[in-house]
Parts: sequence; C-alpha cells; structure tokens
Amino acid sequence: GEDVEQSLFLSVREGDSSVINCTYTDSSSTYLYWYKQEPGAGLQLLTYIFSNMDMKQDQRLTVLLNKKDKHLSLRIADTQTGDSAIYFCAGEAGTALIFGKGTTLSVSS
Amino acid sequence: DAMVIQNPRYQVTQFGKPVTLSCSQTLNHNVMYWYQQKSSQAPKLLFHYYDKDFNNEADTPDNFQSRRPNTSFCFLDIRSPGLGDAAMYLCATSRAGGNTDTQYFGPGTRLTVL
Repeated sequence: GEDVEQSLFLSVREGDSSVINCTYTDSSSTYLYWYKQEPGAGLQLLTYIFSNMDMKQDQRLTVLLNKKDKHLSLRIADTQTGDSAIYFCAGEAGTALIFGKGTTLSVSS
Repeated sequence: DAMVIQNPRYQVTQFGKPVTLSCSQTLNHNVMYWYQQKSSQAPKLLFHYYDKDFNNEADTPDNFQSRRPNTSFCFLDIRSPGLGDAAMYLCATSRAGGNTDTQYFGPGTRLTVL
C-alpha cells in the first residue's frame, strides 16, 4: 500500500522561504495534497496537484512534483509566523487519503 | 461559513463508558469519513459512508461503529473506550468517493479517556 514519508521538523526565520519535502511509494494517486494543521485544530486543505503536472503555484505556495523520483515538495515564500503549523502531504489509496506523519514548521521572528 | 462541523470539540469520557462524536456538513457531499489521529501521528481512516453504504477499513477495531441517519449527519460511536482510543477524531467529506475528489475536514474532536 501507499507509504508517505516526511521530515519531521523545519525551522526558518520570518521572511525566508520554507521547503517541505515528501516522498511516496504508490504512483497511482490522481492528486497529491498538502494539508495544514494548526495546534488543536483540524486539517485545512492548502493545495493539491494533479499527478500529470510538474508544478503548481498558488500565491505564496509552490508545489513541485517529481513523479520519476516520487517526490513532492511544498515551498512557502516569505514565510510568516502565522505559517507555523504541521504540514501533511497525502496521497490517495482508493477512497482513503494516506498521510505522512507531518512536518512541524517553526517560524521565528 | 462552517462547512464541516464537529461536536463537541473536546470530549472527556471514562474508561469503558460509551461515547458518541458528531459530524455534520452543509456541503451536501455524498461521502463522509472518520479519521483517527493519535498524538504526533498521521490521521488514519477508520471508515467512510458513500451515501448510506458503510465501508469499514480492514484494521478498524470492532469497538468503533458509525451511523449516518441522513446526508448531513454522521456519528462515530465508541462502544467501550480504552486509554488507547484517546486521540483527535477528524470528520471529512467529499462530493464523491474515489481518487478524484478533494476531502474537506472538520476541526476535529479531541477525545480524552480517563
């Protein structure tokens, strides 16, 4: 089945770019997703990318997909303290979403 | 505007005392999901409903049940909560099932078992 791996922690300074990386094992996902979870809250869909695309940009967010290497990344430009949260990448396995364990992004001012 | 609503946001129960968590949606989506997220772990799908059709994940314990009385509401029943069931429970919806539909999540219910 699908397995999704992420690095657990990332620390950046306010104004810098953040890059969160994810690798996955199953190529059958039609879409790959990034969700954000703030402390004590549910998951907020940030963005997603169709598996036939290499890149998607949405305001400060850039998603890069390398299907050959099964690697997905999320770049946040001009990172703000409000971006501090846990970021989950997710792939699809039938009806279920398979999530990575999440990357905790810490933004210092 | 709230789209996926979960009540309560925080629930405390005693070991072995049945508890019900509630989810409602205003999106008129066909599919509703329940995920369990333990501390510092990824959310894990427990089961989902496609309309009235119930689909259980193979490794979901029998202790967990679900009801969907209508399109808008879905309940998670934990018959005899154990200490290991303490977690955040996330409800999600999608317009249709399968791998082409985005899932939208509620804020979650954090369950504490004493």
